[in-house]
Amino acid sequence: DSGVTQTPKHLITATGQRVTLRCSPRSGDLSVYWYQQSLDQGLQFLIQYYNGEERAKGNILERFSAQQFPDLHSELNLSSLELGDSALYFCASSVFSGGYSGANVLTFGAGSRLTVL
Amino acid sequence: GDSVTQMEGPVTLSEEACLTINCTYTATGYPSLFWYVQYPGEGLQLLLKATKADDKGSNKGFEATYRKETTSFHLEKGSVQVSDSAVYFCALLNSGGSNYKLTFGKGTLLTVNP
Repeated sequence: DSGVTQTPKHLITATGQRVTLRCSPRSGDLSVYWYQQSLDQGLQFLIQYYNGEERAKGNILERFSAQQFPDLHSELNLSSLELGDSALYFCASSVFSGGYSGANVLTFGAGSRLTVL
Repeated sequence: GDSVTQMEGPVTLSEEACLTINCTYTATGYPSLFWYVQYPGEGLQLLLKATKADDKGSNKGFEATYRKETTSFHLEKGSVQVSDSAVYFCALLNSGGSNYKLTFGKGTLLTVNP
């Protein structure tokens, strides 16, 4: 158990629908990162939050949004789902937002597998 | 932008064989380099890391040396076990301003047969 909790583990939904993925970071970690893993694109960074504020944005579609709450858990909202959104979505957490990069080790959750039919 | 290129898989080895998975990177500045491992049905786990040139990361018999001159961070193990079967990801972490994000390679699937 990495200490990063993601729910749900599996989710099957239809095109056009909206889903929410939840992540609880490891105790003491203030940063949360979302990644998408698909067969064709590999692991793609989506977005990072630090202590409630957005810090970095990657290849996140406009149909997707995220937020980090005061208790530091984060949610990734995926709307108007398309078949191509089927993927494994990982959350990771770390202590830092800035500073010496070598110390900023990310701990990953087990992922949420989204299937869009 | 930053990028990581690692050897295409899959790699299939017999138990006790030697393993090398090549990884090269392109990045500005002085990134930190990582190998992550993903066992079937699980999330990514940090295997080892190196934070500056000539550093050697090691864990569970795996080693990788940060070579700035060749921009490489190849993963090696002298004798693999069946339990090493997994997907291995090379990654770099670059501190662009105040933002931190890992850039991953596409992953290499390793299968070790008894």
